[in-house]
Amino acid sequence: GESVGLHLPTLSVQEGDNSIINCAYSNSASDYFIWYKQESGKGPQFIIDIRSNMDKRQGQRVTVLLNKTVKHLSLQIAATQPGDSAVYFCAETRRDDKIIFGKGTRLHILP
Amino acid sequence: NAGVTQTPKFQVLKTGQSMTLQCAQDMNHNSMYWYRQDPGMGLRLIYYSASEGTTDKGEVPNGYNVSRLNKREFSLRLESAAPSQTSVYFCASGRGRDTEAFFGQGTRLTVV
Repeated sequence: GESVGLHLPTLSVQEGDNSIINCAYSNSASDYFIWYKQESGKGPQFIIDIRSNMDKRQGQRVTVLLNKTVKHLSLQIAATQPGDSAVYFCAETRRDDKIIFGKGTRLHILP
Repeated sequence: NAGVTQTPKFQVLKTGQSMTLQCAQDMNHNSMYWYRQDPGMGLRLIYYSASEGTTDKGEVPNGYNVSRLNKREFSLRLESAAPSQTSVYFCASGRGRDTEAFFGQGTRLTVV
């Protein structure tokens, strides 16, 4: 079936460097995408979203890019900090209102 | 505001036992969701409710039932628990289509 997936299960980044987490989706009818951060023992927390009529959206230290041609999302975190260590999920909202998650990428910050 | 509240936080069941996981939100949201999270599997949608009085199946509904009791509450029932249902269960709520969902802290369920 159609699903949202991620390219890398674990990403290690030096503190202070930029992080880029990638996500591929296969449902071309999806029109809204969300990035979540999940810390150990907690529920997922909203980071940033983007609608299908946009290519880029920026927040505080985070940027999401959407390439509809190749069905690809990325989350960029600037100046990565120890507090950014977590698992990051992309999710898509389909036209039947379901929010479907990918498997997640663990971001590990190196000192 | 408490946001999304799940009870209990931890539960151990014996195979064949039944139980209901409770979820309540105080944000006046229309949509509510139940997910399960297994190691390496991400979050999988069990059931969701787009509005009070409606429910629909998600990706993995087998073995579960839900009730949207009112706008605030959305419960998940396991009629006959199986070891394969050992997981962390998350409830979430949202304003509706094309908006983010807000998650509770989860219920860690072990079926022995």
